[in-house]
Amino acid sequence: QVQVIESGGGVVQPGRSLRLSCAASGFTFSGHAMHWVRQAPGKGLEWVASIWYDGTNTYYGDPVKGRFTISRDNSKNTLYLQMNSLRAEDTAIYYCARDLGRVITGMDVWGQGTTVTVSS
Amino acid sequence: QSVLTQPPSVSGAPGQRVTISCTGSSSNIGARYDVHWYKQVPGAAPKLLIYTNTIRPSGVPDRFSGSRSGASASLAITGLQAEDEADYYCQSFDSSLSGNSVVFGGGTKLTVL
Repeated sequence: QVQVIESGGGVVQPGRSLRLSCAASGFTFSGHAMHWVRQAPGKGLEWVASIWYDGTNTYYGDPVKGRFTISRDNSKNTLYLQMNSLRAEDTAIYYCARDLGRVITGMDVWGQGTTVTVSS
Repeated sequence: QSVLTQPPSVSGAPGQRVTISCTGSSSNIGARYDVHWYKQVPGAAPKLLIYTNTIRPSGVPDRFSGSRSGASASLAITGLQAEDEADYYCQSFDSSLSGNSVVFGGGTKLTVL
């Protein structure tokens, strides 16, 4: 079935790095833009980053610009989020989501999320 | 402060109709970028409820409907049921001088009385 599964979360100290992965299956990964969305404890959804179907365009939310990098490997059906210089305020559940189309529209398939905790 | 503004909470009795508003600006909804709606039950991932302003994905009851007008959008739920109790988010695209971005509303908690 169509699904995306996140991995790579954990507890990390402030200033360190972490890389999240999102494995896609059941659909043509290279035909869809992809997103990372996070949710801090008790808070609403916050968009993190998006990437076009072919990786040629990427977009970032202001809080992560310059620290996070979204990328994809269409040969491996996998989406990544490289997170550097992590801060306490990056603590959240990180969701991977499939876009409805090739560029940025809405998100029709969501993973269960992976938890990132930034703490000393 | 979210780019898209939603009421923090709404409530209604079973069987009633409620609406959730999503107010944007000339750089997002007002620029005719599409609006999408998500439902999130506590402890679960969000689920797409309405896409491209008015379209229900397969499996979403026709009790849910979406609309867009000017720089705002609305989600209407008729025949409220206990399982509708959840958080609801609107989402669109924003394009301004500072760049392009995906934007979410702050979320609305629906309580079924």
